[in-house]
Amino acid sequence: EIVMTQSPATLSVSPGESATLSCRASQSVGSNLAWYQQKGGQAPRLLIYGASTRATGIPARFSGSGSGTEFTLTISSLQSEDFAVYYCQQYYNWPPYTFGQGTKLEVK
Amino acid sequence: QVQLVESGGGLVKPGESLTLSCSASGFIFSDYYMNWIRQAPGKGLEWISSISSGGSTTFYADSVKGRFTISRDNVKNSLYLLLSSLTVEDTAVYYCAKDAKNWGDYNWFDSWGQGTLVSVSA
Repeated sequence: EIVMTQSPATLSVSPGESATLSCRASQSVGSNLAWYQQKGGQAPRLLIYGASTRATGIPARFSGSGSGTEFTLTISSLQSEDFAVYYCQQYYNWPPYTFGQGTKLEVK
Repeated sequence: QVQLVESGGGLVKPGESLTLSCSASGFIFSDYYMNWIRQAPGKGLEWISSISSGGSTTFYADSVKGRFTISRDNVKNSLYLLLSSLTVEDTAVYYCAKDAKNWGDYNWFDSWGQGTLVSVSA
């Protein structure tokens, strides 16, 4: 099983600034990585797939990068609606699909 | 547009069973693998099961293997999850999710339902 580890667990950033979230895989997943956003009481929403491709309707301030075992989600010019929990997920080697434990992005 | 609507959650006692349903619309249901993912209160996301487009192949997480059964009805555009021998550790919101592509081995989840809460308590 591929273990996904996200850091930090909580990130405090001011609106208008940028946020950088990290995700590490226990073995290479190539570019087979997705990022999801989850707001309180809501279902997760797909942001990024293929490590760097934005899903339909996702603003350009969201960008993903990385390959192999190290991945980054960058959110530039943070808006109020961006404060949420973010999960990475590998889909290279399944079952099982595995998710990181999440990073909570909160207002500083 | 794609819509996934789960139902069937509720409060049950340990050892009891429950069947969850997911009604799908807005896409050709029979073309896509479908999945169940759960989230315990205050916790992260855990994939628990997937089923092939035709329903002949199923996959389970070790945590539910032998207790949960995934199935689908491509005529009714519906996905199901039978939860048996439930324990308090199965308390979670259960989401159904659609594979993004109808081909290939590498697939992410592009659409999720709103989830249905299963609470297991004596």
